[in-house]
Amino acid sequence: DAKTTQPPSMDCAEGRAANLPCNHSTISGNEYVYWYRQIHSQGPQYIIHGLKNNETNEMASLIITEDRKSSTLILPHATLRDTAVYYCIVRVAQNSGGSNYKLTFGKGTLLTVNP
Amino acid sequence: DVKVTQSSRYLVKRTGEKVFLECVQDMDHENMFWYRQDPGLGLRLIYFSYDVKMKEKGDIPEGYSVSREKKERFSLILESASTNQTSMYLCASSFLSGNTIYFGEGSWLTVV
Repeated sequence: DAKTTQPPSMDCAEGRAANLPCNHSTISGNEYVYWYRQIHSQGPQYIIHGLKNNETNEMASLIITEDRKSSTLILPHATLRDTAVYYCIVRVAQNSGGSNYKLTFGKGTLLTVNP
Repeated sequence: DVKVTQSSRYLVKRTGEKVFLECVQDMDHENMFWYRQDPGLGLRLIYFSYDVKMKEKGDIPEGYSVSREKKERFSLILESASTNQTSMYLCASSFLSGNTIYFGEGSWLTVV
């Protein structure tokens, strides 16, 4: 899986948009961009993923640049409960047989939402 | 919503004890996984299963075994707990051909 680079920490004011960047300059054509987050002492929580197009769900939006070398996760209205470590991961699509089980979590970005 | 439930959040066990960690998912996922997460080492896969009674070793299977008697349930067994197995254990599941892996809340195991 391609390596990703994220800033170690970011701050955001409550109610404002949080924009978390991720660089993945060596991404391959068949690799998806995934975002997970991990609140202290809990398991990672899936947020969103995408291949080429921008994606939006009830939690966040994912903006992928046209060359796919970077992406941004956007939390439109951050709350205190969004304080967590956010992980950007790139991985190939899972083949049948369950062989693609490897998830490499880097150090992520610690997002702190301040009141 | 996908639900992956781990039976115990916090456990304290003695060295040499046999330990069972249970995991249940309610999404009819074929794949189930057990990881451990340690500071500085990230997530490491212990075992995974893609079907009932099927199991495959991950990166660090030594000292562990697993059981998958029903599709929704995947158990991790520490045959003889040791202090170096003190860790946070994460169960996860996904569809066989699905891209997204969903995690449980984690089980914090301390072996004393």
